[in-house]
Formats: sequence, structure tokens, C-alpha cells
Amino acid sequence: NAGVTQTPKFQVLKTGQSMTLQCAQDMNHEYMSWYRQDPGMGLRLIHYSVGAGITDQGEVPNGYNVSRSTTEDFPLRLLSAAPSQTSVYFCASRTSGLAGGRSYEQYFGPGTRLTVT
Amino acid sequence: EDKVVQSPLSLVVHEGDTVTLNCSYEVTNFRSLLWYKQEKKAPTFLFMLTSSGIEKKSGRLSSILDKKELFSILNITATQTGDSAIYLCAVVTGANNLFFGTGTRLTVIP
Repeated sequence: NAGVTQTPKFQVLKTGQSMTLQCAQDMNHEYMSWYRQDPGMGLRLIHYSVGAGITDQGEVPNGYNVSRSTTEDFPLRLLSAAPSQTSVYFCASRTSGLAGGRSYEQYFGPGTRLTVT
Repeated sequence: EDKVVQSPLSLVVHEGDTVTLNCSYEVTNFRSLLWYKQEKKAPTFLFMLTSSGIEKKSGRLSSILDKKELFSILNITATQTGDSAIYLCAVVTGANNLFFGTGTRLTVIP
């Protein structure tokens, strides 16, 4: 199993450009999510999905869109990049059922470091 | 508003020392609390705690939850340089999402 994969690893954008961060998992997990990590701020939830066709907003959704057409993929789109979106982005997945003692354990991808100039 | 506060923000110790990291929380509809270790890249899972007073242990690491006082501690005994990392605490709220604290950066000096 590859687990959770993310591409690209690094990206530099100019203000106003758009791009898509890719995330895929091969564990058949229902729940997928996107976080951003900034110095001193911890991980903050951007958007999440509890299954194909279902998405919802987290703490900091503005400026980002998501879709979930398949169980495996959960891309994050930046509509018009701004310097405030310079951050490290992590995608994560887990099962959404409550059976078993580790159902909230999330598996994280390796991250995408994004710089917006 | 949900809140997870970790202390200290950073800590420098010598190899062999014992450290205690703290996590306090105020969230709606608490479900569970998780600890993660983050070295250079993605966070990796350490423990999940759901019940008060039951210690979880893995080697030199242990953790316990107090749901009455709304906090958890993570203990690391006989620290090694490989324990240097950011330790993240996260709480699962009513929406089944993880809400993270800002983390504690631990540096272990040889």
C-alpha cells in the first residue's frame, strides 16, 4: 500500500494564479481531509469529506475548493492564490466508522510546501 | 469556540531526562484525544485516548487522559535524540473532525 500520496511536493505560485493539489489514498478510507500548517498555528482543517460526493468546510475554507468524485481522490483547488496561502498542506485519511479502538487515527500524506509570491 | 492548548511551546532537555508534555482542551462534544509525533514531514500517530484514567503505553512513551479536568499528558522517559520532534495533541469533536493544538517542540541534546 502506498498509503496517502500528495503531489506536488513543492510549488511556487504568483499571486492570482490557480492550481490543484492532488491527494490520493489506497486504503479505501471514507474520510479524507486537508489541513494547512503554519508556524505557531498547528494544523488547521480546511475541508473534509466523509465519502464520495460529500464535502464540507473546516475551520479555514476561504480561498479553497474541494470535490470528491471517487473514494480514492480528494484534490484541493486554490482559486486565486494569495501570499496568505503560503503554507505546508497535508492531506489525511481514515475510516469514518466507530468500530474498533483506532477509528480516529488519521494517516497523513507527506505534505506540499506552497509559496505564493 | 473549540480550543486545544499545549504547553510548553518548546522544551530543551538532555538525553536521559524525563519530560511531560501537557494538552488541555475546551471543545463541544468531546469524543477522543490523540497524540501525534511530527519529525521532518507528516505527523505519525502515537496514542488515542477516550476514557479517563487509563494509561496508554508504548515503550518509553505513555499518556493519560483526565476528562473531568479536561487535559492529557504525554510522558517520555529516558529521552533520546530521536525523540526530538514536534508533539501534537488533537481532539475529536462532535463533527468527528480532529482539532489540533499548536504543538510542543521538543529538542533532546546529547
